[in-house]
Order: sequence, then C-alpha cells, then structure tokens
Amino acid sequence: EAQVTQNPRYLITVTGKKLTVTCSQNMNHEYMSWYRQDPGLGLRQIYYSMNVEVTDKGDVPEGYKVSRKEKRNFPLILESPSPNQTSLYFCASSPRDPVEQYFGPGTRLTVT
Amino acid sequence: QKEVEQDPGPLSVPEGAIVSLNCTYSNSAFQYFMWYRQYSRKGPELLMYTYSSGNKEDGRFTAQVDKSSKYISLFIRDSQPSDSATYLCAMKNWQLTFGSGTQLTVLP
Repeated sequence: EAQVTQNPRYLITVTGKKLTVTCSQNMNHEYMSWYRQDPGLGLRQIYYSMNVEVTDKGDVPEGYKVSRKEKRNFPLILESPSPNQTSLYFCASSPRDPVEQYFGPGTRLTVT
Repeated sequence: QKEVEQDPGPLSVPEGAIVSLNCTYSNSAFQYFMWYRQYSRKGPELLMYTYSSGNKEDGRFTAQVDKSSKYISLFIRDSQPSDSATYLCAMKNWQLTFGSGTQLTVLP
C-alpha cells in the first residue's frame, strides 16, 4: 500500500530534550516536506527536500533541522524543543513538487 | 493580512445540500490552486487541483478559480455525511500556502 508513515504518533516531552520524528514514504517520491498545523494558522511548511541531500527552509524553520540521506526517509529533528513547538506535525511527499502531496497521519507533539 | 483567507466556519448543512467553500488570496503570482480534505485525526488528502483559471469537475466536486477576483471555490453537490471534514485550500507559485480550513458538517 502506498503510504507515508510517521513515528511516533504522539509524543510528550520536556523543554530541551532532543527528539526526532521519523517520516518514510514507499512511493519513490522525490519531494518531501514537513508541516506544522496550529489552530487558526493552518498548515505551515517547516522544511522541504527536492531530492536526496537537497533540503531548504520553508516558512517556519527556526528550531528545526532535517536531513535527507535516503530518498524514502526525511526525519525532523528538534535539537532543543520549547513549548512553542507544541503542535500537530505532518510529513508529506509528492512525485516532484508540492502540488500533489500525500500526507502522513500526523504526530501530535507536546513540549512542557 | 494573510496571503490566503478562508472562512473557518463551522458550516452545517443537511444531507443532499449543495455546499460552497471559498478562499480569497492576495498574491497574484499563484498558479496552482488545490483543495484538500482532512478528516478528524487524519492527514490532509488532495481532492483536486487546477492550474490557472477555470473550472474542474470530479464527480460531486467542482473546483472553480477566478484569478481576476483572486477567489477560488469548491462546490460539493448532493453532500453526504461522509463529506463531514475540514476543507483546506492551498495555492502555489514557487512556494505552497494553505488556508486555515473550513470545518463542514453534513447532517443526516
């Protein structure tokens, strides 16, 4: 089944404790991205990747890191999480550009 | 002012009604216009997209773009309870920008 998977689905952590949210797709897509979704603000792009070893900042990259060492994986790293990073996070992939994106199920992160 | 404005609702309609969902935008450089549906506790899924102006139809769904007015619409005919979800518009020039979503409930 073609899908984007994210882990974990739910995470509660404390300020400053490094964490990684994994994202994997099995569709051989070149484009992958990370979004955060907050009430009233919609989906905002954090980082995106056009292909392996090619990443770029989205609208809200501060406090986040990404890497794209393999085509199928695009982990999101929070080196020192803060409470304002409490949000619902989505990973997405598409064949080439962000028009036809497939979204993962989401990761609900709470930072206390 | 946000680049993309979308009425958050909530919008409640009876089953069988025609639903009209709308977004306005300020950036005339947007070329691609998308509609996503998001069920509760799920990721968004792409319903349809259009390039530039005009209409596009897919079953009970019709997407309409009016670039002169900077206004896009999604029409749902014969709405069903299974259409109850949040609908997100999105627009792209070199970057993708989402609206904040409209919550729709179709009552049986």
